Amino acid sequence: DTAVSQTPKYLVTQMGNDKSIKCEQNLGHDTMYWYKQDSKKFLKIMFSYNNKELIINETVPNRFSPKSPDKAHLNLHINSLELGDSAVYFCASTRTQQNTGANVLTFGAGSRLTVL
Amino acid sequence: DAKTTQPNSMESNEEEPVHLPCNHSTISGTDYIHWYRQLPSQGPEYVIHGLTSNVNNRMASLAIAEDRKSSTLILHRATLRDAAVYYCILRDVLLGGSEKLVFGKGTKLTVNP
Repeated sequence: DTAVSQTPKYLVTQMGNDKSIKCEQNLGHDTMYWYKQDSKKFLKIMFSYNNKELIINETVPNRFSPKSPDKAHLNLHINSLELGDSAVYFCASTRTQQNTGANVLTFGAGSRLTVL
Repeated sequence: DAKTTQPNSMESNEEEPVHLPCNHSTISGTDYIHWYRQLPSQGPEYVIHGLTSNVNNRMASLAIAEDRKSSTLILHRATLRDAAVYYCILRDVLLGGSEKLVFGKGTKLTVNP
């Protein structure tokens, strides 16, 4: 059983299109994240949701809109795709223990987005 | 965000121990030290974490300096499957208990047969 699953694994699309990437975790975790890994392999956090509530929103264009229908799902919708959006997007989840730094993240396998 | 410094790359031979260093001179008293690794074409995976004492698990050992300004991830017997980018991360706790992992550039470990 896959703990954190992302779909699709690969996505190729044209500039200007709107696309979504879905993420589901079956670990019973209450916090989920989206990370972006660009061509230079640098991993940057984008968003975090705890129990469906947005708690981290890094400097990300408004074209990116996360949606969490329940605490097991965190989807990423991207409007008006640009060339620079090409990257691998990773979903992750954790069970949050308040005010500690001991939480461990479980990552999905990634979704590679290519914008032409 | 608390910063860590790691060598860009390291090489090892199969079945030999590997010591991956990490400097974190600005660490605060409540920062945990986490190590993750990313195998080629995969998502990052948790390796180990610690606060003050050395830690061991089935994957690796973590040696933390007494002043906590540096740490070393130890792979006791490297295998080809251990070839990956290893990230040393200080766990950044935000207000309200929210946390985020801030990844640096990591160390790319090459394991030679």
